[in-house]
Amino acid sequence: DIQMTQSPSSVSASVGDRVTITCRASQGIRGWLAWYQQKPGKAPKLLIYAASSLQSGVPSRFSGSGSGTDFTLTISSLQPEDFATYYCQQANSFPYTFGQGTKLEIK
Amino acid sequence: QVQLVESGGGVVQPGGSLRLSCAASGFTFRNFGMNWIRQAPGKGLEWVAVLSHDARNEYYADSVKGRFTISRDNSKNTMFLQMNSLSTEDTAVYYCAKAYCNSASCFFDYWGQGTLVTVSS
Repeated sequence: DIQMTQSPSSVSASVGDRVTITCRASQGIRGWLAWYQQKPGKAPKLLIYAASSLQSGVPSRFSGSGSGTDFTLTISSLQPEDFATYYCQQANSFPYTFGQGTKLEIK
Repeated sequence: QVQLVESGGGVVQPGGSLRLSCAASGFTFRNFGMNWIRQAPGKGLEWVAVLSHDARNEYYADSVKGRFTISRDNSKNTMFLQMNSLSTEDTAVYYCAKAYCNSASCFFDYWGQGTLVTVSS
């Protein structure tokens, strides 16, 4: 199985900050990576698919990059509604696997 | 608008069985693959199973293979997860999720609200 490792596990930031979360795959997954946002008690929401494609309706302050084994999610200017947990997910091969999550907290 | 509504969760004893349902609306259900994804309390996400749009292809996580069966009824816009031989490690919120596929891969673009399965004696 492909292991997905996110860093950091948690990060504190302020409104307006630029934040980057990284995700590393244990083997190459080409560009088959997605990012999801989850708020407490809610289902995850797709933000980015195919490493860098912005899902419809997602604000442009979210962006993704990377290929192979190393990927990043960047939030260019944090808004209050962005404080949540973020997960990466590989869709290169079954079983699909998620990273352990990165909790983004208010500083 | 796309809606996915899970049902069937509850409390079950270890070794027991449970059948989850996911009722879909707002899109042409028969054209899309569907997934089950779970989240243990306070933990991360774990993909469980996927079923292709025509029910010909299914894949499972190793942790549930041989115990869980995914199925669908395209005439009723509903997907199912039959869970047998349940253990405490299966305690989780179970989400159904619609597959969004491009040329070579699939992601999860819509999710239900989840249904809680608790395995406890």
